Amino acid sequence: GEDVEQSLFLSVREGDSSVINCTYTDSSSTYLYWYKQEPGAGLQLLTYIFSNMDMKQDQRLTVLLNKKDKHLSLRIADTQTGDSAIYFCACSADSNYQLIWGAGTKLIIKP
Amino acid sequence: NAGVMQNPRHLVRRRGQEARLRCSPMKGHSHVYWYRQLPEEGLKFMVYLQKENIIDESGMPKERFSAEFPKEGPSILRIQQVVRGDSAAYFCASSPGQEPYEQYFGPGTRLTVT
Repeated sequence: GEDVEQSLFLSVREGDSSVINCTYTDSSSTYLYWYKQEPGAGLQLLTYIFSNMDMKQDQRLTVLLNKKDKHLSLRIADTQTGDSAIYFCACSADSNYQLIWGAGTKLIIKP
Repeated sequence: NAGVMQNPRHLVRRRGQEARLRCSPMKGHSHVYWYRQLPEEGLKFMVYLQKENIIDESGMPKERFSAEFPKEGPSILRIQQVVRGDSAAYFCASSPGQEPYEQYFGPGTRLTVT
């Protein structure tokens, strides 16, 4: 079946850029998402990208999509302590409403 | 406009008991989705409901699990005769339509089976 993979941890210094990577197997995914989960909280949709786009920028967030390699990344510029969270990559399945999720990348900010 | 509400936030059940998880969608949303998250794993789709209808339950175990979204009141995910393997975080999302980028998530219910 479809699979989404991401590394479990990323550690960056405050003020640096964070790049969280994700690979997926379903080449027919129409939408690809990044969600943020803070401790004890629900999932917050950060941004999403349509499969016919290569890049999307939203303030400090930049999403890059490489369809050929089935690779999605999220870049957070000027990482702050408030960015500490788990970041989930998700892709739409055939139905579009069913999302296939990665296990999440825990972003750790070093002072 | 209040967000998606889930209760309880934490639920402890002994093996063999029943667990009832509630989800109140955002105002104006008629589509509800339930997901399960096991420790250190991503979310797994369980079921998609519209008011009074189950649209897709392909991710839900055939036995012991059921879901409903009545005309009035919250959506309920019911787990009968819970086992330790049911321990997980259960998330509910709602949307006004079928487009998934409009899915708004609740804070989740953490179920612990002892």
